[in-house]
Amino acid sequence: GQNIDQPTEMTATEGAIVQINCTYQTSGFNGLFWYQQHAGEAPTFLSYNVLDGLEEKGRFSSFLSRSKGYSYLLLKELQMKDSASYLCAALDSNYQLIWGAGTKLIIKP
Amino acid sequence: IAGITQAPTSQILAAGRRMTLRCTQDMRHNAMYWYRQDLGLGLRLIHYSNTAGTTGKGEVPDGYSVSRANTDDFPLTLASAVPSQTSVYFCASSVSSGSLNEQFFGPGTRLTVL
Repeated sequence: GQNIDQPTEMTATEGAIVQINCTYQTSGFNGLFWYQQHAGEAPTFLSYNVLDGLEEKGRFSSFLSRSKGYSYLLLKELQMKDSASYLCAALDSNYQLIWGAGTKLIIKP
Repeated sequence: IAGITQAPTSQILAAGRRMTLRCTQDMRHNAMYWYRQDLGLGLRLIHYSNTAGTTGKGEVPDGYSVSRANTDDFPLTLASAVPSQTSVYFCASSVSSGSLNEQFFGPGTRLTVL
């Protein structure tokens, strides 16, 4: 079956760095997405990786290892507004997104 | 209209009633999707449409139907609502259904079936 695993909840301190991990098992693979979702709101796109390596976009970076079925989202210089759920999703061979349950990130002052 | 809209924002519905959730986008995106989001579970695809005039079943299609008469609109119908359909429903769209195409989400409809 197809499966996405990510931690349920993480806590970090304002100004620090946090890494949110995601492992995936899908029928075929056409890329890995990260979305941010604030409570009560819609998910919004953060990043897309299809090749191995690190993609940096401001304070946020995303890494992919296709051979390990593994990705992480790295958030630097954490701000209170980064408190949200972070959703990992893999695009399968039918170009359908398989979603993880999300990681709730709590930022403490 | 800017982006993707959904209506209603929230709804309480008696079991057995018929309900249509509306979704409209003005980005001329070809692909559209309906998801449900339940606590502790990832977004689950209900139905999708790769282009106007075509639809397909997702992971959890039972009890739901969709139509795609034009590019902009993608309504989701619950023919006879049941309590297990209580959820937050998100409509999304993307330029196409292939790789590299991020999905844009509407604000969601919170549905409670009693």
